[in-house]
Amino acid sequence: DAGVTQSPTHLIKTRGQHVTLRCSPISGHKSVSWYQQVLGQGPQFIFQYYEKEERGRGNFPDRFSARQFPNYSSELNVNALLLGDSALYLCASSLDGSLSGNTIYFGEGSWLTVV
Amino acid sequence: AQTVTQSQPEMSVQEAETVTLSCTYDTSESDYYLFWYKQPPSRQMILVIRQEAYKQQNATENRFSVNFQKAAKSFSLKISDSQLGDAAMYFCAYKGYGNKLVFGAGTILRVKS
Repeated sequence: DAGVTQSPTHLIKTRGQHVTLRCSPISGHKSVSWYQQVLGQGPQFIFQYYEKEERGRGNFPDRFSARQFPNYSSELNVNALLLGDSALYLCASSLDGSLSGNTIYFGEGSWLTVV
Repeated sequence: AQTVTQSQPEMSVQEAETVTLSCTYDTSESDYYLFWYKQPPSRQMILVIRQEAYKQQNATENRFSVNFQKAAKSFSLKISDSQLGDAAMYFCAYKGYGNKLVFGAGTILRVKS
């Protein structure tokens, strides 16, 4: 079975532009979460979606938005890019959105560089 | 809010020896899970081991084991018989009712041959 897949793997954008990152969860997984990892730091939670509804939002500005589609894939959108948005964006999937020990699986991430 | 602290930015271990990575956390929740993730240079986050807070028995996965001290809010990872492939960044993470992972800052583990 395919793992969590993310696209694109690398991209370079200019300040002020918009970016869309995509994620396909593991087959059968209904929960998708997004994390931002700045170089040298641990990942920070951005969003969680379960059954197409937002279940959680981290401390990020409104420039960040996301959605989940009927096939459970997800998009993360960032508007008005800033230099500080340069980071590795990780997508994670799990079976459900509840408090459980279900393993959370990560994709390989999308490297975003803002110049 | 929950926080996770990893006080060792970097650790080194000789191949075949044992190393312990430290992690402390702060929470007021009674039910939660703790994880250690490994992130090699490829940057993909790989689950190493998981501990349920309601279980007193420490989790073990082959050469990896944890020392979970709930009262002290401590969750250390012991790697036995260290191998070159263990070299990576290791993150301690907490998951509570918010169902989001809260990560520590990470510990770089270097393995010397």
